[in-house]
Amino acid sequence: GAVVSQHPSRVICKSGTSVKIECRSLDFQATTMFWYRQFPKQSLMLMATSNEGSKATYEQGVEKDKFLINHASLTLSTLTVTSAHPEDSSFYICSARDYKAYGYTFGSGTRLTVV
Amino acid sequence: QQQVKQSPQSLIVQKGGISIINCAYENTAFDYFPWYQQFPGKGPALLIAIRPDVSEKKEGRFTISFNKSAKQFSLHIMDSQPGDSATYFCAASKDTGTASKLTFGTGTRLQVTL
Repeated sequence: GAVVSQHPSRVICKSGTSVKIECRSLDFQATTMFWYRQFPKQSLMLMATSNEGSKATYEQGVEKDKFLINHASLTLSTLTVTSAHPEDSSFYICSARDYKAYGYTFGSGTRLTVV
Repeated sequence: QQQVKQSPQSLIVQKGGISIINCAYENTAFDYFPWYQQFPGKGPALLIAIRPDVSEKKEGRFTISFNKSAKQFSLHIMDSQPGDSATYFCAASKDTGTASKLTFGTGTRLQVTL
């Protein structure tokens, strides 16, 4: 089945620095990828939809200058958290849509801790 | 406005029992209804999914029941096992265009006791 690889699984960074999270579709081409944020014991909150070769579409309330998304190829999307602050600490999850199987496959998530 | 309502918030079931989680949606344009299982510290994994042209789908111990007129769908886990203890999310989406996205329910924390 479709596999989405997300790295790193955990990252700790200092306040004010930037962190990049990678999301790769391993065995299918993903023209559309999604980035979510999840707080403890809560549901997934969609942050943005990433389309290959075009600008990401951000959900209302998500700062596009803080959460930079790049989808440069059909198998890779990246999320960069710029000038991170402790309130950005969260669990970030990517998802890719497999159009052949019509499914949404999720990565294993990245636990970001900003200290 | 929450478009997919999920209940209960938490559920405790004895081993061997049936776990039932319910979801209701508002947008009649939704045509894909998946259920995801999530363990702590992991991403959601697809459990089972249904389209509105069928009323029930079964895969092993997991069954989705779908009621189009009531705009409701539910997940039944038969012979629940301790390994099923996880958080379950229902979701819905439209199969239109590249921008279709999943709308998630609020999640149900299932605990299966011995």
